[in-house]
Amino acid sequence: GENVEQHPSTLSVQEGDSAVIKCTYSDSASNYFPWYKQELGKGPQLIIDIRSNVGEKKDQRIAVTLNKTAKHFSLHITETQPEDSAVYFCASTGANSKLTFGKGITLSVRP
Amino acid sequence: DTAVSQTPKYLVTQMGNDKSIKCEQNLGHDTMYWYKQDSKKFLKIMFSYNNKELIINETVPNRFSPKSPDKAHLNLHINSLELGDSAVYFCASSLGRWGGSGKQYFGPGTRLTVT
Repeated sequence: GENVEQHPSTLSVQEGDSAVIKCTYSDSASNYFPWYKQELGKGPQLIIDIRSNVGEKKDQRIAVTLNKTAKHFSLHITETQPEDSAVYFCASTGANSKLTFGKGITLSVRP
Repeated sequence: DTAVSQTPKYLVTQMGNDKSIKCEQNLGHDTMYWYKQDSKKFLKIMFSYNNKELIINETVPNRFSPKSPDKAHLNLHINSLELGDSAVYFCASSLGRWGGSGKQYFGPGTRLTVT
């Protein structure tokens, strides 16, 4: 089945700096790659997603890039703010149509 | 308006008991899911229903039984609760039969603690 790796497990940045979170996937048939943000005590919230026919997608301060050849995709957050502090999950859908999540990364934005 | 809601938010119970968690979505979606998030924050799918039909059933003990009375509701019943069942359970929904490729929207979660 699909395996999604997410590294590192924690990331700390200064407010205003950029943050990049990287994920790799194993199933070359994967075609959908969402990113979720989970704040303390809440459910995961979809923040951006990308399909395999697109290399990059941007929504205000966040962007996602996809490299199908290398089977990795990344989340880019620019001009980070304290409210960006949360756990971020990448995920992918393999040939079995199930969404497989990475283990999550805790992003801390230092004021 | 809450899109995906779950009740209860917290559930504390003793080993051996039977409990249920309810989920409702008002998004008009036809696919619903149950996920388990363990103490290390790892999210893993348990079940998925499309229009009341079970389409994904992961390797989950048969003490867990999902029930979908209609496409807006997916409940989770757990028999003979064990300590290892302690986790946060999330309900989610999406549009489309093969919802794995669709945008999934999560509920606020139910924190189950088994003592």
